[in-house]
Amino acid sequence: AQKVTQAQTEISVVEKEDVTLDCVYETRDTTYYLFWYKQPPSGELVFLIRRNSFDEQNEISGRYSWNFQKSTSSFNFTITASQVVDSAVYFCALSEAETGNQFYFGTGTSLTVIP
Amino acid sequence: DGGITQSPKYLFRKEGQNVTLSCEQNLNHDAMYWYRQDPGQGLRLIYYSQIVNDFQKGDIAEGYSVSREKKESFPLTVTSAQKNPTAFYLCASSINYLEIPKQGVRGYTFGSGTRLTVV
Repeated sequence: AQKVTQAQTEISVVEKEDVTLDCVYETRDTTYYLFWYKQPPSGELVFLIRRNSFDEQNEISGRYSWNFQKSTSSFNFTITASQVVDSAVYFCALSEAETGNQFYFGTGTSLTVIP
Repeated sequence: DGGITQSPKYLFRKEGQNVTLSCEQNLNHDAMYWYRQDPGQGLRLIYYSQIVNDFQKGDIAEGYSVSREKKESFPLTVTSAQKNPTAFYLCASSINYLEIPKQGVRGYTFGSGTRLTVV
């Protein structure tokens, strides 16, 4: 079974629109970590955020915000007032105590921001 | 500054040839990983290593081999047995899982990738 599901394969929005990228995860561990990475066209994955399972406080960083809800096993990512530079593939990932250092990645969501 | 260096950025291989992709890190990370990414697809784990001289197969290890003789280095060899090697290969490293909760820890650090094309 897929441990991290990103159901949205591709999303297109017009510049300045808000967009939410969905991430649903599956784990039996009580301690786990969730991540979001951005992959621009250059290819290198860039770290965006880490969320600990024991901290449900939502986080905002500039135009980016993350909504972590354990009740629905979701860790959604919202970009407010999107810009062309936000165009990239975004990956959600899970690290759990049972498997230690190994991360489980979703299949990614390709976001295109149209000027 | 510490980081991961992958080389070369682009690599062309003739069918039937083995080729080795380099991955070096100076982050003092214990664990290292190799992922394969095909166009429009996610990351698939090829091999990973938690400690020097030890490594485990990932989901798609067939046709690949690795070594971990030094903590800093985790080269990946794409052998002639890999039937469809054309892809984008990403190397990553991470600290020990137990260190993740510490402030400032970012999980995986990725290299810039190697794009392999079979000609």
